[in-house]
Formats: sequence, C-alpha cells, structure tokens
Amino acid sequence: GIQVEQSPPDLILQEGANSTLRCNFSDSVNNLQWFHQNPWGQLINLFYIPSGTKQNGRLSATTVATERYSLLYISSSQTTDSGVYFCAVNSGNTPLVFGKGTRLSVIA
Amino acid sequence: EPEVTQTPSHQVTQMGQEVILRCVPISNHLYFYWYRQILGQKVEFLVSFYNNEISEKSEIFDDQFSVERPDGSNFTLKIRSTKLEDSAMYFCASRRTENYGYTFGSGTRLTVV
Repeated sequence: GIQVEQSPPDLILQEGANSTLRCNFSDSVNNLQWFHQNPWGQLINLFYIPSGTKQNGRLSATTVATERYSLLYISSSQTTDSGVYFCAVNSGNTPLVFGKGTRLSVIA
Repeated sequence: EPEVTQTPSHQVTQMGQEVILRCVPISNHLYFYWYRQILGQKVEFLVSFYNNEISEKSEIFDDQFSVERPDGSNFTLKIRSTKLEDSAMYFCASRRTENYGYTFGSGTRLTVV
C-alpha cells in the first residue's frame, strides 16, 4: 500500500518563529489532507489539498503531486499551534492513510 | 459547518464487555469510516462502509468488531469482547463522494480496564 513519510518527527519552536513540515508519499494520490491533533485528541482538518497551494491565515500548504510531496507552512507560530500535525493521503476509494505525524511544541 | 458527531466522548469498560461507539455522519455523505489511534501512535484505518455494506476492512478489524448503520443516520462500531489492547481513541469519518475530503469526528476515547 501507499507509504506516507513525515518530517521532522519532532520540532520545537520559539513563539513567533516560522516552520515548514514535509510530507512525502510513495504513489500518486487524488486526496491529500493536513490535520492538526490538539491536546484533547481531536483531529482538526486544516487543508484538503491534492494539488496546488492554499492559505488560511498563518497557515499555508503546497502539494506538488507530480513529485509526491506536500509542505505545510506555519508562520508566526503561537503556543496554540502546539500538537501533532498529520498528513494523510488516498487515491480513489482506497482508505485514507496517515503518516506518523510531526509533533510541534511552541514555547513562549 | 456540518460536523460528524461521536458519542460518548469517553468510555471506560471492563475487559470482556461489549461496547458500542456511536457516530452521526454528515447527512449528505455516502462513505463512512472508522479509524483508531493507540496512544502516541499513528491513526490507523479499521473499516469503510458504503451502500449499507462494508467495502474494505483492515487486518485489525477482526471478528470481534462489527459496524452497522441501523437507521439511516447513525453509524455504529461494536466491539464484542473488549481486550486491554483495544484501549485507544476511535474516530468516525465520512465524506460525500470519492472526490471529497474526509471529515472526522472528535473521537471516543475507550479505556479497557
């Protein structure tokens, strides 16, 4: 099945810093989503981005489908951005496959 | 914005007991899913459900698990005889068609003691 690799596994940032999280996937996909898992365990959908670039406030994402990767940018990080960021992909009616996540800690 | 609703948010059960986790998907969605996440690990696929039947299941989804859509709105996951290793966060998800993203519920944290 499709493999999803996320990097880095852990990231510690000072409040106000910028960061880039990466997601590589092993096969072509027609769905890619970024999620933020908050301290209560909820999965918050950030982006549905099978290709192209989207922005939502301080967050933006880019997927280059032909090269099988996606990037999530966090600018001016805040302590509330802490948590685990998951990339997940699928193709057609195959199940959504998650990466292992990037654990982000933003310190004041 | 429409939501996927899961109940209960937390459940503690004795080993060997049956549990039913409940989900109300978004009303015009056609595809339904259960995923689980053992503490500190990644989110894993359990089962997908479409047109009132299971369309795919993982090796985790063995005979102790079952799913049902009893009344056209609820979608349930039953674990017949719980084990300690079933302790996890269980997520329900739905999507309108194959060309749409998944919407996840807030999860049910199941603790088996």
